[in-house]
Amino acid sequence: KAGVTQTPRYLIKTRGQQVTLSCSPISGHRSVSWYQQTPGQGLQFLFEYFSETQRNKGNFPGRFSGRQFSNSRSEMNVSTLELGDSALYLCASSPREGRGTQYFGPGTRLLVL
Amino acid sequence: GESVGLHLPTLSVQEGDNSIINCAYSNSASDYFIWYKQESGKGPQFIIDIRSNMDKRQGQRVTVLLNKTVKHLSLQIAATQPGDSAVYFCAEGGNAGNMLTFGGGTRLMVKP
Repeated sequence: KAGVTQTPRYLIKTRGQQVTLSCSPISGHRSVSWYQQTPGQGLQFLFEYFSETQRNKGNFPGRFSGRQFSNSRSEMNVSTLELGDSALYLCASSPREGRGTQYFGPGTRLLVL
Repeated sequence: GESVGLHLPTLSVQEGDNSIINCAYSNSASDYFIWYKQESGKGPQFIIDIRSNMDKRQGQRVTVLLNKTVKHLSLQIAATQPGDSAVYFCAEGGNAGNMLTFGGGTRLMVKP
């Protein structure tokens, strides 16, 4: 099976702009989670979707949002970008609704200038 | 949520030796624990997991030990190889869907 894919792999934006990142889970996986990875804060949970419904949300401002489509592909959006949003954004998919092994994609590297 | 682990320490081992990477967790309600390996420029790669009703689980060259009394998790890598050089993260879950709380990570460096 193909792994989790994320597009784009690299992105440069300026403050105030918005960005949309895409994630395609492993075929058959209905759960998609998003994480932000920075050197200072490490890996932090953003949100999780299962069958197009947001199931859990981490402690991030409302500028961070996401959605999941009927084919389980997911997108996350960050509006009004700030310098501190520069990070590696990781997507993970799981075949289970809970306590499932999560498989990560390669991530999207976002740089905000 | 509560955090798992702290800063990013470094463990340096000789090729062929065994490695032990430790992790402390703080949420006693967590019942699922995972170890991930992350190489430079890549996403975390699943290594092994363990549920709270187990104390030990073995995989290929890896063993995870769980001590719920002191909330401690460890990853043992046998006969460490240069390809094992990476950052290793422990993560805890089971409290809310598939949400994982990650530790700060440990960098493993294997000397040839």
